[in-house]
Amino acid sequence: EAQVTQNPRYLITVTGKKLTVTCSQNMNHEYMSWYRQDPGLGLRQIYYSMNVEVTDKGDVPEGYKVSRKEKRNFPLILESPSPNQTSLYFCASSGGRGGSYEQYFGPGTRLTVT
Amino acid sequence: KQEVTQIPAALSVPEGENLVLNCSFTDSAIYNLQWFRQDPGKGLTSLLLIQSSQREQTSGRLNASLDKSSGRSTLYIAASQPGDSATYLCAVKSGMRFGAGTRLTVKP
Repeated sequence: EAQVTQNPRYLITVTGKKLTVTCSQNMNHEYMSWYRQDPGLGLRQIYYSMNVEVTDKGDVPEGYKVSRKEKRNFPLILESPSPNQTSLYFCASSGGRGGSYEQYFGPGTRLTVT
Repeated sequence: KQEVTQIPAALSVPEGENLVLNCSFTDSAIYNLQWFRQDPGKGLTSLLLIQSSQREQTSGRLNASLDKSSGRSTLYIAASQPGDSATYLCAVKSGMRFGAGTRLTVKP
């Protein structure tokens, strides 16, 4: 089954404790991206990757890091989480040139930073 | 900077009605436009993707149109059902921008 998986689905952590949210897709997509969704602000792109070893900032990259060492995986790293990073996070992938095809989303990771 | 607006923010209709959701964007230089459905606390499910060279796409009871020159897209839902109740989001690929969504309630 074609899918995007994220782990963990729920995470409660404390300020400053480094964490990683994993994302994996099994569709051989070159384009992957991370979003956060906040009430009243909607979905905003954090980072995206056009291919292995190619990553770029989205609209809200501050406080986040990503890496793309393999085509299927695109982890999101919060080196020193803060309460304003409490949010619902989604990973997505798409095929086609520059990710021009349909986007597939993961189930989401609900992060709470206290 | 691309801005995406969805009107109305919320819509309540009786079962069986046909309805239209609207999405507008400020920059016509887009690669594609995609409509999604999101159920409460869940991820996004893709409904329809319209490439910039296309005018419309259809899937079952859903029809989406795209008018790049006017910066508008509509999602038409025919014969609405209670199971259609969800938030509907449009997204344009120029960078990647989402609208705030329309929360649809279909009453039995």
